[in-house]
Amino acid sequence: KNEVEQSPQNLTAQEGEFITINCSYSVGISALHWLQQHPGGGIVSLFMLSSGKKKHGRLIATINIQEKHSSLHITASHPRDSAVYICAVSIYRDDKIIFGKGTRLHILP
Amino acid sequence: EAQVTQNPRYLITVTGKKLTVTCSQNMNHEYMSWYRQDPGLGLRQIYYSMNVEVTDKGDVPEGYKVSRKEKRNFPLILESPSPNQTSLYFCASSRRLSNTGELFFGEGSRLTVL
Repeated sequence: KNEVEQSPQNLTAQEGEFITINCSYSVGISALHWLQQHPGGGIVSLFMLSSGKKKHGRLIATINIQEKHSSLHITASHPRDSAVYICAVSIYRDDKIIFGKGTRLHILP
Repeated sequence: EAQVTQNPRYLITVTGKKLTVTCSQNMNHEYMSWYRQDPGLGLRQIYYSMNVEVTDKGDVPEGYKVSRKEKRNFPLILESPSPNQTSLYFCASSRRLSNTGELFFGEGSRLTVL
């Protein structure tokens, strides 16, 4: 079993829909990262969370430390949001990072 | 502009021919790390460094070496590349991993070993 699990693996939605991507982890963490990777492109950090909730534009990230679960929400989705979204965790008292396998999001115009 | 720079971006080489992928950051970050990304496996950590002269193995260090002689540079060395090292490689840096350590990634280096 992977230590970081993301769901769904693939998601296709219509422009304007509310999107939720989930991340569950089974290890102790000091922080959780949400990353975005466009096709053929590099990787960009969207959020780093250790508790609570963060918002940046149409993107919202939440984390529940007790339940070892995080969600990434996209409001009013747009075709330019089409990308792979990757959840990663920084291991508690370690400097290693473990990644989920990513969620491929496709927003149709 | 704050950035992480990797070179080369694309490389085709042959088995056994030593190569180095360079990584440089201009943000004075303590933490630097190398990852490889493979279809179906996602990103996996190869090596990381918390500061100059301090390096540690990640999950897939076999066949790779690193060095951290200066804070800004963290080269990845493949002494004797093999076809199973064909992959997309990313370097990343962070100010401090545990607390305020937002990750900054390079653009990636696509390596093919024939």
